[in-house]
Amino acid sequence: KAGVTQTPRYLIKTRGQQVTLSCSPISGHRSVSWYQQTPGQGLQFLFEYFSETQRNKGNFPGRFSGRQFSNSRSEMNVSTLELGDSALYLCASSRASSLNNEQFFGPGTRLTVL
Amino acid sequence: LAKTTQPISMDSYEGQEVNITCSHNNIATNDYITWYQQFPSQGPRFIIQGYKTKVTNEVASLFIPADRKSSTLSLPRVSLSDTAVYYCLVGNRDDKIIFGKGTRLHILP
Repeated sequence: KAGVTQTPRYLIKTRGQQVTLSCSPISGHRSVSWYQQTPGQGLQFLFEYFSETQRNKGNFPGRFSGRQFSNSRSEMNVSTLELGDSALYLCASSRASSLNNEQFFGPGTRLTVL
Repeated sequence: LAKTTQPISMDSYEGQEVNITCSHNNIATNDYITWYQQFPSQGPRFIIQGYKTKVTNEVASLFIPADRKSSTLSLPRVSLSDTAVYYCLVGNRDDKIIFGKGTRLHILP
């Protein structure tokens, strides 16, 4: 079956702009989690959605937001981009709760903020 | 969410068995222990998950002592392609997911 897909794969933006990233989970998976990965901070949890509801949120400012649609596809949005937002953004899906179930990660979206 | 402590890095040689230990002194009764592997520029990949004693699958074994305050991921007969970062996660369904810095495993020829 098809894996987790993320679009776009690469993105270049300038400071102050906003960006929307998309994630399509594996068919049948209801949980989608988002992560930010940078060389300095490692892999950091942004938020998890399950059945269109945010279940958990990491320690990120309100500029980072997300949502999940009825077909389990998810989007995350970053407003007023800062240079420090440059990172690899990873999406992962799982059948149910992400900590007790295997998460399947997508290839990521590499965001560069100039 | 129970905090985990892993070695920052490890070196080993091809063909050896590698054991990576993760400490999680504050593990809760409902917490599971999960290990992921990550190669550069890729998302992490699930390796194994356990709750107690020993779990084995086709790629690794996970040893969990009775007190569950630590766990050991065992990779049998590693190859160069096992060079990656390995993450230990501990938690349950209500927790935020914390990957930490992981253990950077470097396999030498």
